[in-house]
Amino acid sequence: GQQVQQSPSSLVLQEGENAELQCNFSSTATQLQWFYQSPGGSLVSLLSNPSGTKHTGRLTSTTVTKERRSSLHISSSQTTDSGTYLCAIEGNNRIFFGDGTQLVVKP
Amino acid sequence: GGIITQTPKFLIGQEGQKLTLKCQQNFNHDTMYWYRQDSGKGLRLIYYSITENDLQKGDLSEGYDASREKKSSFSLTVTSAQKNEMAVFLCASSILLGTSQNTLYFGAGTRLSVL
Repeated sequence: GQQVQQSPSSLVLQEGENAELQCNFSSTATQLQWFYQSPGGSLVSLLSNPSGTKHTGRLTSTTVTKERRSSLHISSSQTTDSGTYLCAIEGNNRIFFGDGTQLVVKP
Repeated sequence: GGIITQTPKFLIGQEGQKLTLKCQQNFNHDTMYWYRQDSGKGLRLIYYSITENDLQKGDLSEGYDASREKKSSFSLTVTSAQKNEMAVFLCASSILLGTSQNTLYFGAGTRLSVL
């Protein structure tokens, strides 16, 4: 099945710094989603980006389909950005998740 | 907008017990999913269903049963709870599995502890 690797596994930043999260996957993907999981556990969809570049607020995702990788850039990080960021890949009618990047933003 | 409701929020069971988790969605989505998340890990698919009365096994289906009684509801049964098991079970739904328009929506989760 699809393998999804996220890096780094954890990241600590000072407020105001930028974050760059990576997602690499092993097979063709029809859809790619980035999720945010709060410390309390609920998952919220941030962006759907199967190819190209998408922006929403302080978030920018770039997916290079041929190279099977996607990035999520968070600009001017805030303490409220702390949590886990998960990448999910859909292929062959199945959805696979990476283990996530745990982000801590310090004041 | 819609919502996915999972019940109960917390579930404490005994070793060997059969436990049932419920999920309701009002998005009118065709596909529903059950995922398990262990501490510090990503999500692993237990079962999914692409329509009412359909069931498809995921990577972690052993030890679980599922039932899609109607389009809006999808239940998961732990057939025999394992001692010291702790995990979060997440239900999700989506409208167009297999297309670039597909988007997953999640419930808040059921936290299971087995004594």
